[in-house]
Amino acid sequence: DQQVKQNSPSLSVQEGRISILNCDYTNSMFDYFLWYKKYPAEGPTFLISISSIKDKNEDGRFTVFLNKSAKHLSLHIVPSQPGDSAVYFCAASERLNQAGTALIFGKGTTLSVSS
Amino acid sequence: EAGVAQSPRYKIIEKRQSVAFWCNPISGHATLYWYQQILGQGPKLLIQFQNNGVVDDSQLPKDRFSAERLKGVDSTLKIQPAKLEDSAVYLCASSFRDGEAFFGQGTRLTVV
Repeated sequence: DQQVKQNSPSLSVQEGRISILNCDYTNSMFDYFLWYKKYPAEGPTFLISISSIKDKNEDGRFTVFLNKSAKHLSLHIVPSQPGDSAVYFCAASERLNQAGTALIFGKGTTLSVSS
Repeated sequence: EAGVAQSPRYKIIEKRQSVAFWCNPISGHATLYWYQQILGQGPKLLIQFQNNGVVDDSQLPKDRFSAERLKGVDSTLKIQPAKLEDSAVYLCASSFRDGEAFFGQGTRLTVV
Protein backbone atom coordinates (compact mmCIF):
# COMPACT_ATOMS: atom_id res chain seq x y z
CA ASP A 1 0.00 0.00 0.00
CA GLN A 2 1.76 3.11 -1.25
CA GLN A 3 1.55 6.05 1.11
CA VAL A 4 3.34 8.41 -1.28
CA LYS A 5 2.31 8.31 -4.92
CA GLN A 6 3.83 9.87 -7.99
CA ASN A 7 1.42 8.87 -10.70
CA SER A 8 3.37 10.25 -13.65
CA PRO A 9 6.41 8.08 -14.41
CA SER A 10 7.77 10.63 -16.87
CA LEU A 11 7.45 14.24 -17.99
CA SER A 12 8.94 16.00 -20.99
CA VAL A 13 9.20 19.79 -21.28
CA GLN A 14 11.06 22.27 -23.41
CA GLU A 15 13.85 24.41 -22.07
CA GLY A 16 12.53 27.65 -20.59
CA ARG A 17 9.06 26.31 -19.91
CA ILE A 18 7.60 25.32 -16.55
CA SER A 19 7.92 21.77 -15.22
CA ILE A 20 5.26 20.63 -12.75
CA LEU A 21 5.79 17.40 -10.88
CA ASN A 22 2.96 16.06 -8.75
CA CYS A 23 2.77 13.94 -5.63
CA ASP A 24 -0.14 12.59 -3.57
CA TYR A 25 -0.06 11.07 -0.11
CA THR A 26 -2.51 9.13 2.00
CA ASN A 27 -1.27 9.50 5.59
CA SER A 28 -2.59 12.67 7.22
CA MET A 29 0.06 12.30 9.95
CA PHE A 30 2.86 13.25 7.56
CA ASP A 31 4.12 16.67 8.65
CA TYR A 32 7.14 17.32 6.47
CA PHE A 33 7.67 16.79 2.76
CA LEU A 34 10.80 16.78 0.64
CA TRP A 35 11.80 16.57 -2.99
CA TYR A 36 14.96 14.78 -4.03
CA LYS A 37 16.67 14.78 -7.40
CA LYS A 38 18.61 11.79 -8.70
CA TYR A 39 21.03 11.53 -11.60
CA PRO A 40 22.04 8.10 -12.97
CA ALA A 41 24.64 6.26 -10.87
CA GLU A 42 24.36 8.81 -8.07
CA GLY A 43 22.46 8.90 -4.81
CA PRO A 44 19.42 11.17 -4.39
CA THR A 45 20.25 14.76 -3.49
CA PHE A 46 17.99 16.99 -1.45
CA LEU A 47 16.28 19.72 -3.44
CA ILE A 48 13.60 21.49 -1.40
CA SER A 49 11.25 20.79 1.49
CA ILE A 50 8.07 22.11 3.05
CA SER A 51 6.54 21.84 6.47
CA SER A 52 2.85 21.02 6.82
CA ILE A 53 2.27 24.39 8.47
CA LYS A 54 3.08 26.13 5.19
CA ASP A 55 1.50 25.96 1.77
CA LYS A 56 4.43 27.23 -0.29
CA ASN A 57 8.20 27.25 -0.17
CA GLU A 58 10.41 28.82 -2.79
CA ASP A 59 14.12 28.44 -3.53
CA GLY A 60 15.34 30.05 -6.71
CA ARG A 61 13.78 28.29 -9.70
CA PHE A 62 12.14 25.69 -7.47
CA THR A 63 8.83 26.11 -5.66
CA VAL A 64 6.93 23.47 -3.74
CA PHE A 65 3.20 23.85 -3.09
CA LEU A 66 1.31 21.88 -0.45
CA ASN A 67 -2.47 21.37 -0.37
CA LYS A 68 -3.14 19.55 2.88
CA SER A 69 -6.87 19.17 2.36
CA ALA A 70 -6.22 17.39 -0.93
CA LYS A 71 -3.12 15.59 0.41
CA HIS A 72 -1.27 16.82 -2.64
CA LEU A 73 2.00 18.57 -3.27
CA SER A 74 3.70 19.74 -6.41
CA LEU A 75 7.14 20.90 -7.46
CA HIS A 76 7.39 23.72 -9.98
CA ILE A 77 10.61 24.38 -11.86
CA VAL A 78 10.72 27.69 -13.71
CA PRO A 79 12.41 28.09 -16.09
CA SER A 80 13.35 24.49 -16.83
CA GLN A 81 16.91 23.80 -17.95
CA PRO A 82 18.44 20.74 -19.65
CA GLY A 83 20.50 20.12 -16.49
CA ASP A 84 17.25 19.57 -14.61
CA SER A 85 16.78 16.29 -16.48
CA ALA A 86 16.77 13.67 -13.72
CA VAL A 87 14.49 11.47 -11.64
CA TYR A 88 12.57 13.44 -9.01
CA PHE A 89 11.40 11.70 -5.85
CA CYS A 90 8.75 13.01 -3.52
CA ALA A 91 9.21 11.97 0.11
CA ALA A 92 7.17 12.37 3.28
CA SER A 93 8.43 12.31 6.82
CA GLU A 94 6.78 9.87 9.20
CA ARG A 95 7.47 9.90 12.91
CA LEU A 96 8.48 6.40 13.96
CA ASN A 97 8.67 7.02 17.68
CA GLN A 98 10.29 9.47 20.05
CA ALA A 99 13.67 8.51 18.65
CA GLY A 100 13.19 9.75 15.12
CA THR A 101 11.47 9.99 11.79
CA ALA A 102 11.78 8.09 8.52
CA LEU A 103 11.31 9.18 4.93
CA ILE A 104 8.72 7.42 2.78
CA PHE A 105 9.44 7.81 -0.93
CA GLY A 106 7.31 7.78 -4.04
CA LYS A 107 8.36 5.86 -7.14
CA GLY A 108 9.77 8.91 -8.85
CA THR A 109 9.11 10.93 -12.00
CA THR A 110 11.68 11.11 -14.77
CA LEU A 111 11.92 14.68 -16.09
CA SER A 112 13.41 15.30 -19.52
CA VAL A 113 14.11 18.89 -20.53
CA SER A 114 14.92 19.37 -24.20
CA SER A 115 16.84 22.31 -25.58
CA GLU B 1 32.12 18.79 4.22
CA ALA B 2 32.67 15.19 3.15
CA GLY B 3 29.54 13.36 2.05
CA VAL B 4 28.25 9.90 2.87
CA ALA B 5 30.76 7.30 1.70
CA GLN B 6 29.73 3.85 0.56
CA SER B 7 31.64 0.87 -0.74
CA PRO B 8 31.76 -1.05 -2.93
CA ARG B 9 30.04 0.81 -5.79
CA TYR B 10 29.16 -2.38 -7.63
CA LYS B 11 28.93 -6.03 -6.64
CA ILE B 12 27.93 -9.13 -8.58
CA ILE B 13 27.37 -12.37 -6.67
CA GLU B 14 25.69 -15.68 -7.23
CA LYS B 15 22.49 -16.53 -5.38
CA ARG B 16 23.03 -18.09 -1.98
CA GLN B 17 26.34 -16.26 -1.55
CA SER B 18 26.84 -13.60 1.08
CA VAL B 19 27.72 -9.94 0.62
CA ALA B 20 28.46 -6.95 2.85
CA PHE B 21 28.16 -3.22 2.24
CA TRP B 22 29.90 -0.49 4.19
CA CYS B 23 28.81 3.06 4.95
CA ASN B 24 30.54 6.00 6.61
CA PRO B 25 28.05 8.80 7.36
CA ILE B 26 28.67 12.52 7.48
CA SER B 27 30.61 13.43 10.60
CA GLY B 28 28.32 14.39 13.45
CA HIS B 29 25.19 12.82 11.98
CA ALA B 30 23.58 10.68 14.64
CA THR B 31 20.98 9.09 12.39
CA LEU B 32 21.94 6.54 9.74
CA TYR B 33 19.61 4.84 7.28
CA TRP B 34 19.89 1.94 4.88
CA TYR B 35 17.50 2.02 1.94
CA GLN B 36 16.89 -0.53 -0.82
CA GLN B 37 15.98 0.81 -4.25
CA ILE B 38 14.72 -1.73 -6.76
CA LEU B 39 14.71 -0.63 -10.40
CA GLY B 40 11.70 1.55 -11.14
CA GLN B 41 10.82 2.02 -7.48
CA GLY B 42 11.53 4.63 -4.87
CA PRO B 43 13.95 3.95 -2.02
CA LYS B 44 12.50 1.71 0.69
CA LEU B 45 13.75 2.00 4.27
CA LEU B 46 15.36 -1.18 5.56
CA ILE B 47 16.77 -0.03 8.88
CA GLN B 48 17.38 3.19 10.79
CA PHE B 49 19.93 3.77 13.54
CA GLN B 50 20.11 6.57 16.09
CA ASN B 51 23.75 6.52 17.19
CA ASN B 52 24.34 2.77 17.64
CA GLY B 53 20.75 1.87 18.54
CA VAL B 54 18.11 0.60 16.11
CA VAL B 55 15.13 2.95 15.71
CA ASP B 56 13.24 0.91 13.12
CA ASP B 57 13.96 -2.34 11.32
CA SER B 58 10.40 -3.39 10.58
CA GLN B 59 11.05 -3.81 6.85
CA LEU B 60 14.36 -5.61 7.16
CA PRO B 61 14.12 -9.28 6.09
CA LYS B 62 15.79 -10.51 9.24
CA ASP B 63 16.12 -14.09 8.08
CA ARG B 64 18.79 -12.99 5.59
CA PHE B 65 19.63 -9.33 6.22
CA SER B 66 21.55 -7.95 9.16
CA ALA B 67 23.02 -4.55 9.94
CA GLU B 68 25.12 -3.07 12.67
CA ARG B 69 26.50 0.31 13.60
CA LEU B 70 29.25 -0.22 16.10
CA LYS B 71 30.43 2.84 18.02
CA GLY B 72 27.65 4.89 16.41
CA VAL B 73 29.64 5.84 13.31
CA ASP B 74 30.27 3.39 10.44
CA SER B 75 27.70 0.81 9.51
CA THR B 76 27.64 -2.47 7.62
CA LEU B 77 24.70 -4.18 5.94
CA LYS B 78 24.98 -7.90 5.23
CA ILE B 79 22.92 -10.27 3.14
CA GLN B 80 23.31 -13.99 3.71
CA PRO B 81 22.24 -15.89 1.68
CA ALA B 82 21.39 -13.62 -1.25
CA LYS B 83 18.37 -14.19 -3.49
CA LEU B 84 17.75 -13.02 -7.03
CA GLU B 85 15.16 -10.51 -5.80
CA ASP B 86 17.82 -8.79 -3.67
CA SER B 87 19.25 -7.24 -6.85
CA ALA B 88 18.92 -3.51 -6.20
CA VAL B 89 20.82 -0.38 -5.28
CA TYR B 90 21.53 -0.15 -1.56
CA LEU B 91 21.63 3.42 -0.37
CA CYS B 92 23.04 4.67 2.88
CA ALA B 93 21.95 8.05 4.21
CA SER B 94 22.57 10.11 7.31
CA SER B 95 20.96 13.08 8.95
CA PHE B 96 21.76 15.49 11.74
CA ARG B 97 18.15 15.92 12.78
CA ASP B 98 14.70 14.88 11.67
CA GLY B 99 13.85 15.61 8.06
CA GLU B 100 16.54 16.08 5.43
CA ALA B 101 18.74 13.05 4.82
CA PHE B 102 21.96 13.05 2.82
CA PHE B 103 22.56 10.03 0.61
CA GLY B 104 25.67 8.24 -0.54
CA GLN B 105 26.17 7.10 -4.13
CA GLY B 106 24.86 3.65 -3.37
CA THR B 107 26.01 0.10 -4.02
CA ARG B 108 24.51 -1.63 -7.04
CA LEU B 109 24.06 -5.32 -6.24
CA THR B 110 23.38 -7.86 -8.95
CA VAL B 111 22.52 -11.40 -7.88
CA VAL B 112 22.82 -13.99 -10.66
